[in-house]
Amino acid sequence: KNQVEQSPQSLIILEGKNCTLQCNYTVSPFSNLRWYKQDTGRGPVSLTIMTFSENTKSNGRYTATLDADTKQSSLHITASQLSDSASYICVVSDRGSTLGRLYFGRGTQLTVWP
Amino acid sequence: EADIYQTPRYLVIGTGKKITLECSQTMGHDKMYWYQQDPGMELHLIHYSYGVNSTEKGDLSSESTVSRIRTEHFPLTLESARPSHTSQYLCASSGPPSGPEGYTFGSGTRLTVV
Repeated sequence: KNQVEQSPQSLIILEGKNCTLQCNYTVSPFSNLRWYKQDTGRGPVSLTIMTFSENTKSNGRYTATLDADTKQSSLHITASQLSDSASYICVVSDRGSTLGRLYFGRGTQLTVWP
Repeated sequence: EADIYQTPRYLVIGTGKKITLECSQTMGHDKMYWYQQDPGMELHLIHYSYGVNSTEKGDLSSESTVSRIRTEHFPLTLESARPSHTSQYLCASSGPPSGPEGYTFGSGTRLTVV
């Protein structure tokens, strides 16, 4: 069964600190992996997208890594800001259909305190 | 800036009413999707479309219906709303899988049926 598991479920950090969110997946055949940021009551906004051959990709203070062999990804947030408080969702796409089927994790709820 | 628009953002409606959630995108994407998301849970695909006059049901059974008469427009209709329909509904569209357009979400409609 294709699944995407994220950890931790929730995380509280102080402003200015770094943190790393984890994503493990069993989706096969793999096409790409995306990290989204979703503010409360809003739609998800794309942070990064990585294909099989990419190991790391950065977007400002966000750096995503991908290990396609172990089927693990991480999202590292540097020098956190209050505006980073949101749910971070890992999404994996397969190559098994024209639809490019997406599999969603439940997200990690990040809270940044001043 | 948003290239995919959902209206209304919030809707509170009585049981038995007919409602239509609007979704429009200006990116010329052929593929469009509707997702349902409950708090703290992953997104579930309820409808998708490959293009004009193409609609399919997703993984999660839904009493809603959709139509795709124009490329840019993908409305979702509930003929008779019930409290069990209370949820957040997210519309999305997609271009090339690995391109910058990728997969874009709207801001969502938070529906409450009383």
